[in-house]
Amino acid sequence: EVQLVESGGALVQPGGSLRLSCAASGFTFSTYWMHWVRQVPGKGLVWVSRIKSDGNITNYAESVKGRFTSSRDNTKNTLYLQMNSLRAEDTAVYYCAREEGGDRYFDLWGRGTLVTVSS
Amino acid sequence: DIQMTQSPSSLSASVGDRVTITCRTSQTISSNLNWYQQRPGKAPKLLIYAASNLQSGVPSRFSGSGSGTDFSLTITGLQPEDFATYYCQQSYSTPRTFGQGTKVEIK
Repeated sequence: EVQLVESGGALVQPGGSLRLSCAASGFTFSTYWMHWVRQVPGKGLVWVSRIKSDGNITNYAESVKGRFTSSRDNTKNTLYLQMNSLRAEDTAVYYCAREEGGDRYFDLWGRGTLVTVSS
Repeated sequence: DIQMTQSPSSLSASVGDRVTITCRTSQTISSNLNWYQQRPGKAPKLLIYAASNLQSGVPSRFSGSGSGTDFSLTITGLQPEDFATYYCQQSYSTPRTFGQGTKVEIK
C-alpha cells in the first residue's frame, strides 16, 4: 500500500527538542521531494520545509529556519524533522507529504503526528 | 513570499447546491495552483492540481479554473461528504503557501 506514516510527536517543554519520522512505503521514496506541513488544531495549513529526493537541498519557512532540520534516509525510506529550541507556537499536527515532480502538488499525505510544546 | 487570499472563509450550503470558492495570489503563478479538501481529524486530500486537473479518483462534480492570479474551485451538486474545509496552495515557488481555508458547512 502506498502510504506515509508519521511518528514521534509528543509533549515537550519549551526549549526542548524532538525528532519526527515519516515512514514511506509502496513507492520509490528516493525519487521524490518530500515536505513537512503543520497545522495548529482548528487553524489552517502551514508549509514548514522541503527536502530534495537525494537530500542535498533543503528549504525552510522563516519561522523555523535555524531551529528545524529536515533529513532523509533513502535506505530506510524515512523522512525526518529534527526540531530544536521548540516554542509554544510550534504546537501543531505535523504532516509529511510527497511532491509529485511535474506540477509539484502534494499527492500523498500522512495522517499527522501531534507535537505539543508546553511546560 | 506569495500571499494567498481565499474567499469566503466559510459558507453554508445545502445538498445539491453549486458552490464556488475563490483564491487570489499576490503575484502571477501561471497555473501552479492546487486545491485540497480536509475533513475533520483527517489529512488533506488533493482534489485539483495545476488549476484545472482533476486528481485521479476525485468525483467529477469538483472542477477548478483560473490562471495568473485568480482561481476558483467549484462543486456542482454538493454531497454530504463534501462538507469539509478547502485549501488552495501555490506550487510556483517556495515557500509553498496555502490559503487560509474555506469551511463548507451544512445549511
